[in-house]
Amino acid sequence: DTAVSQTPKYLVTQMGNDKSIKCEQNLGHDTMYWYKQDSKKFLKIMFSYNNKELIINETVPNRFSPKSPDKAHLNLHINSLELGDSAVYFCASSQVVQGDGYTFGSGTRLTVV
Amino acid sequence: GQSLEQPSEVTAVEGAIVQINCTYQTSGFYGLSWYQQHDGGAPTFLSYNALDGLEETGRFSSFLSRSDSYGYLLLQELQMKDSASYFCAVSPNTGFQKLVFGTGTRLLVSP
Repeated sequence: DTAVSQTPKYLVTQMGNDKSIKCEQNLGHDTMYWYKQDSKKFLKIMFSYNNKELIINETVPNRFSPKSPDKAHLNLHINSLELGDSAVYFCASSQVVQGDGYTFGSGTRLTVV
Repeated sequence: GQSLEQPSEVTAVEGAIVQINCTYQTSGFYGLSWYQQHDGGAPTFLSYNALDGLEETGRFSSFLSRSDSYGYLLLQELQMKDSASYFCAVSPNTGFQKLVFGTGTRLLVSP
């Protein structure tokens, strides 16, 4: 019973391509996120959705477009991939209650060549 | 804005006690969290301090002092499996739900 599952785990693609990463959570959490972890392991928030509504967009390029069809799913579509997009992308979910912690998916390692 | 600084690497031996510090500059936050991440794995939640003081969860304890803009994670009776990266994080009180992570500390536990 995976709590937050994201697919694919690995993604290797050429510059200029378009790709999507899918995320689903079965925890009943209200809020879902996309985080990017760079090669120095720095974790930075990209987007946050609460009950399907976008509430945070942290100055991410327009090539990145999240979509939340329902509160259990949050997908990330990336257009015109660039070398600098290579990173590990983590989906996460949480309840609004502070202190409960975030549950992260296993990550998608994106490599743009 | 928020910035959280951590030492880049800490080394220790099995059975020892190690403290990982987190100093921050932030305009305001609800609490300080700690996450563990093994190589190739996902960050996993360890602890949360809403108030100043020490929170203990088994071998791990976390401390917060808002007046000193400082917190730490204390790991006791170190085991090889504790080798991982550790991140402090704050939940800014901006009204929007998000976590801002520190720079991360890689802990290496040797036999």
